[in-house]
Amino acid sequence: LAKTTQPISMDSYEGQEVNITCSHNNIATNDYITWYQQFPSQGPRFIIQGYKTKVTNEVASLFIPADRKSSTLSLPRVSLSDTAVYYCLVAEGSGGYQKVTFGTGTKLQVIP
Amino acid sequence: DTAVSQTPKYLVTQMGNDKSIKCEQNLGHDTMYWYKQDSKKFLKIMFSYNNKELIINETVPNRFSPKSPDKAHLNLHINSLELGDSAVYFCASSQDRKQETQYFGPGTRLLVL
Repeated sequence: LAKTTQPISMDSYEGQEVNITCSHNNIATNDYITWYQQFPSQGPRFIIQGYKTKVTNEVASLFIPADRKSSTLSLPRVSLSDTAVYYCLVAEGSGGYQKVTFGTGTKLQVIP
Repeated sequence: DTAVSQTPKYLVTQMGNDKSIKCEQNLGHDTMYWYKQDSKKFLKIMFSYNNKELIINETVPNRFSPKSPDKAHLNLHINSLELGDSAVYFCASSQDRKQETQYFGPGTRLLVL
């Protein structure tokens, strides 16, 4: 079963801020939320990770509400090079081991 | 100084053949993974090893057999290749088994004819 739900695709013009929301209703207490970016013909690349409230790095910001049942990845002033698939993940514990499930991701198309 | 490398990058083969894909990481990580990404771009975990011990084994045909000679290497051997095995296979590694931050290789594009 998929752990996360995200929009399948989004379009944005260059220079705009893009917000991609992910639902994870069954997130566990110890789970972290992680976002990856995948360009065509490349492997996914870690962008940002958070547990609650807000996290910001040089690439993006991650907003997590108090109930942690969703999260929003915010990309400021996107450029054409931000066209990629963005995956939202939560860790999943099972028998002492954890596995991460990648959902279908959100395909972001940045338009000139 | 590639962190996670895979060979070969491309693999074209006939149905019924046996092939292997190799993965190496120079990050000093304890945990390594194999993922399959099909034509619909859905990324599914197949296997995970932690310090050469198998810790995740998803529902994968037993024609797929991972082998980890040491914690820096995780190879994937596929017997009796089928058309449906055509996909991109990604190797990844993480510091430990918690797995939140994984580093992916460039992928191996397998085409079975």
